[in-house]
Amino acid sequence: QQQVKQSPQSLIVQKGGISIINCAYENTAFDYFPWYQQFPGKGPALLIAIRPDVSEKKEGRFTISFNKSAKQFSLHIMDSQPGDSATYFCAASDRGNKLVFGAGTILRVKS
Amino acid sequence: DVKVTQSSRYLVKRTGEKVFLECVQDMDHENMFWYRQDPGLGLRLIYFSYDVKMKEKGDIPEGYSVSREKKERFSLILESASTNQTSMYLCASSLLTSGQYFGPGTRLLVL
Repeated sequence: QQQVKQSPQSLIVQKGGISIINCAYENTAFDYFPWYQQFPGKGPALLIAIRPDVSEKKEGRFTISFNKSAKQFSLHIMDSQPGDSATYFCAASDRGNKLVFGAGTILRVKS
Repeated sequence: DVKVTQSSRYLVKRTGEKVFLECVQDMDHENMFWYRQDPGLGLRLIYFSYDVKMKEKGDIPEGYSVSREKKERFSLILESASTNQTSMYLCASSLLTSGQYFGPGTRLLVL
């Protein structure tokens, strides 16, 4: 099964709050889990990525949490800012770097 | 910085026309990809290429073909455009074991 399920579809967070987006996968061969950020009119940009040998990766205000046994991973945006308002996609790939994407989450951070 | 450029930002074509979308990357990446992006469906892989003159079908190749004559250039061809091919088309490139880098996208409208 190649599908990656992403939730929620949309999210509204107050400035300074924590934004949490979740993804689940079925294919246990997946070994690379990136998150992409997309602003209107732009292509997706690689935000942060994790491999299954670690349970957490942090880059600035962005953290990926990874639960291998549950086949789930999530993106946490700490101290969310209006400039973080964008669409976020999770993805997964196995060898060969062919990505399978989630359906996307539209994040709006209210000031 | 990796730069992926796409030949057009916006295109309007008639049903039945042959459409060429071109993508160029400047970082000597082995892999190149074509996706289409539709609301609520995320990014779906059309075709990808691991090397010059090599191509592999993605999840939705019907109605499309591709060409990769040079390492830096990957073209997507709609042999006979149809209205259900109205979409945002995104090109991406990557090294064998890195994340994918996307171009700005081409918004295609087929009338």
